[in-house]
Amino acid sequence: QVQLVQSGAEVKKPGASVKVSCKASGYTFANYYMHWVRQAPGQGLEWMGVINPSGGPTSYAQKFQVRITMSRDTSTSTVYMELNNLTSADTAVYYCARDGNSFDIWGQGTMVTVSS
Amino acid sequence: NFMLTQPHSVSESPGKTVTISCTGSRGSIATNYVQWYQQRPGSVPTTVIYEDDQRPSGVPDRFSGSIDSSSNSASLTISGLKTEDEADYYCQSYVGDNRWVFGGGTKLTVL
Repeated sequence: QVQLVQSGAEVKKPGASVKVSCKASGYTFANYYMHWVRQAPGQGLEWMGVINPSGGPTSYAQKFQVRITMSRDTSTSTVYMELNNLTSADTAVYYCARDGNSFDIWGQGTMVTVSS
Repeated sequence: NFMLTQPHSVSESPGKTVTISCTGSRGSIATNYVQWYQQRPGSVPTTVIYEDDQRPSGVPDRFSGSIDSSSNSASLTISGLKTEDEADYYCQSYVGDNRWVFGGGTKLTVL
């Protein structure tokens, strides 16, 4: 079946970086853009950026522009999201989501906790 | 920056109908499709409406979406409310230049 499986929870110190993975299966990886969305505790959904798994430029939300990198490994059908210079405000669940006719398939989410 | 504004919360009784609005900050909300997502506590969001008014398979026809250009708003209407509809609902749209945005979310209470 179509699914996105993300890497496990992370605990990071302020100023560190985190890299979250999202492995796709059950469909042609190159045919669908992949988005990253985060949700801070008790807060709403926040779009972070999008990557084209078949190549081409990525696009990031302006607030993350200077400290986010999205990448892909087509050999393993995996996309990655790396966020640098973490602060407590980055404590959130991070989701990858496939762009079908909507964000139609979501990963299970990866909890990232930033704490000294 | 383009924003989508939703009411923070709405509540209604079982069996009734509720409408959740999503208002665009500028331009025309009709320019790009609007999607709606349902998120129950502790769960991953799921699509209830895509492309303004389309329902994914498996979503009951109690859920409907619409666009009102005069108010620059999208709406999600849920009729015949059930307790299982209690959740957070988010609107979302493409805003151009390879960027997307979510509304702030609306907490639906079915009491």
